Amino acid sequence: RKEVEQDPGPFNVPEGATVAFNCTYSNSASQSFFWYRQDCRKEPKLLMSVYSSGNEDGRFTAQLNRASQYISLLIRDSKLSDSATYLCVVFTGGFKTIFGAGTRLFVKA
Amino acid sequence: EAQVTQNPRYLITVTGKKLTVTCSQNMNHEYMSWYRQDPGLGLRQIYYSMNVEVTDKGDVPEGYKVSRKEKRNFPLILESPSPNQTSLYFCASSPNLDQPQHFGDGTRLSIL
Repeated sequence: RKEVEQDPGPFNVPEGATVAFNCTYSNSASQSFFWYRQDCRKEPKLLMSVYSSGNEDGRFTAQLNRASQYISLLIRDSKLSDSATYLCVVFTGGFKTIFGAGTRLFVKA
Repeated sequence: EAQVTQNPRYLITVTGKKLTVTCSQNMNHEYMSWYRQDPGLGLRQIYYSMNVEVTDKGDVPEGYKVSRKEKRNFPLILESPSPNQTSLYFCASSPNLDQPQHFGDGTRLSIL
């Protein structure tokens, strides 16, 4: 089993739709969690950190479920510019950072 | 401007010819890391460094070396490159271990 798993997609949604991504992790001692966005083989860029209490940044909401060992990302009112690959990132506490393989999102007009 | 700078951005070379990819950050970050990205596999950590003179292996260290003689620089060395090291490489840095990482623009390596 991979340490961090994501549904690779692709997710094809119309503009204005709400879309949710999940990411599961295997190490229960994992300490920090992030969502990154990557455009077409460019460098990953931080979208948001994920806090235990859940957090929101505009149209984006991230949540952490430690009991079930997953994190989620919700995008509301999708824009064409949201088309990208979304990477789930877990810091395991053993000094390593583990990236999920990413979920592709296509938002269509 | 805060940034992570990698060089070269693109390189085509031949098997066995030693090469170095440089990485420099101007944010005084403690933690630096190298990743490779391959289709379907996502980013995999090659090596990381928690501070000057402190480095350790990530998940795919075979065939690579690193050094951290200065805080700002973290070069990736391929002593004898092979075709299976053809990949997109990213250097990243963060203030500490568990904080978000800032990435360089990436280096596309092709080993023929």
